[in-house]
Amino acid sequence: NAGVTQTPKFQVLKTGQSMTLQCAQDMNHEYMSWYRQDPGMGLRLIHYSVGAGITDQGEVPNGYNVSRSTTEDFPLRLLSAAPSQTSVYFCASCSGGGYNEQFFGPGTRLTVL
Amino acid sequence: AQSVTQLDSHVSVSEGTPVLLRCNYSSSYSPSLFWYVQHPNKGLQLLLKYTSAATLVKGINGFEAEFKKSETSFHLTKPSAHMSDAAEYFCVVSEDYGQNFVFGPGTRLSVLP
Repeated sequence: NAGVTQTPKFQVLKTGQSMTLQCAQDMNHEYMSWYRQDPGMGLRLIHYSVGAGITDQGEVPNGYNVSRSTTEDFPLRLLSAAPSQTSVYFCASCSGGGYNEQFFGPGTRLTVL
Repeated sequence: AQSVTQLDSHVSVSEGTPVLLRCNYSSSYSPSLFWYVQHPNKGLQLLLKYTSAATLVKGINGFEAEFKKSETSFHLTKPSAHMSDAAEYFCVVSEDYGQNFVFGPGTRLSVLP
């Protein structure tokens, strides 16, 4: 199993540009989430999904869009990049139920100039 | 609403001495609790998780954590620090069985030779 994969690993954007961060998992997990990590703030939830076709907002959703057309994929779209979106982005998946943990991808480091 | 407090943003220990990283949580229900480790420029790896089967939880690399409901704490310990333990550690609480994981701000552990 590849686990959770993310592409790209690094990205530089100019203010106003749009892009999509890709996330895929091969563990047949129902739950998938996107986080951003900023120094001293831990990981903050952007959006999450509890299954194909179902998404919801997390703590910091503004400026981001998600969709979940398949169980495997959960892309994150930046609509119009801003310098405040410079961060490291992590995708995670979880089978849900009980005390199951999240599995994380390797992250995408995004810089917005 | 659930929340996590990690009482120390930075802990420094000498190699071979004990490690204590503190975590307090707030939750309305019986929570799931986790500790994750993040080495520099890497993704997040699960150290251990509380599953309600036992209050003392053993994880990888010699780490342990004790769940104390009366103190709402889940402190992480290791009897003897190794240089390879230098990393960022995150305490995480979830009360929605996979839908909503809340991260603490993290504790950076430095290990001195």
